[in-house]
Amino acid sequence: DTGVSQNPRHKITKRGQNVTFRCDPISEHNRLYWYRQTLGQGPEFLTYFQNEAQLEKSRLLSDRFSAERPKGSFSTLEIQRTEQGDSAMYLCASSLASSGMLNGYTFGSGTRLTVV
Amino acid sequence: AQSVTQLGSHVSVSEGALVLLRCNYSSSVPPYLFWYVQYPNQGLQLLLKYTSAATLVKGINGFEAEFKKSETSFHLTKPSAHMSDAAEYFCAVSEKGYSTLTFGKGTMLLVSP
Repeated sequence: DTGVSQNPRHKITKRGQNVTFRCDPISEHNRLYWYRQTLGQGPEFLTYFQNEAQLEKSRLLSDRFSAERPKGSFSTLEIQRTEQGDSAMYLCASSLASSGMLNGYTFGSGTRLTVV
Repeated sequence: AQSVTQLGSHVSVSEGALVLLRCNYSSSVPPYLFWYVQYPNQGLQLLLKYTSAATLVKGINGFEAEFKKSETSFHLTKPSAHMSDAAEYFCAVSEKGYSTLTFGKGTMLLVSP
């Protein structure tokens, strides 16, 4: 068990460019979550998957954001036409559906995006 | 809708002093409650959780929290602060039957020698 892995750790991009982040959850976890954390705020829910199905999306997830989990293992989060307001830490977490919320989530270390 | 309020964006204590971080929640159904800790440039680590068993919950690193339904509170305490406790602490709520967490804005704990 190597925990939840996120890549890259840091990404600096110019406004208007597209970026993609990757998350590898704990191998036996079938639920995967994406959260966004801006400076001075707590994490805010973006979306989550159970296996390959995207079960819920937040209204924060504008049409410039898309997330996939094609084989029910790793997930990618893509932001198109980045804006300065997208600068944030993007956190991935995973859990086991059969446990519900009894054990909370295991978080990765995050990808810090800076849009210049 | 569920929500979390953490009183005090910053709390300063001396090493060896009592740590008290406040969390109040709003939930229409019995909640699950969590405290997470975040060190600089890292993800969140689970400290402890309340899932409707014992109301006094013990976690890692000597932290504990008490669920008080009448006060809708879940305050985090530690009898004696260590320098290594300096970090940001987040309280979060989840309602039974839901799979998402709602976080508070966080409290930065500063520990001075």
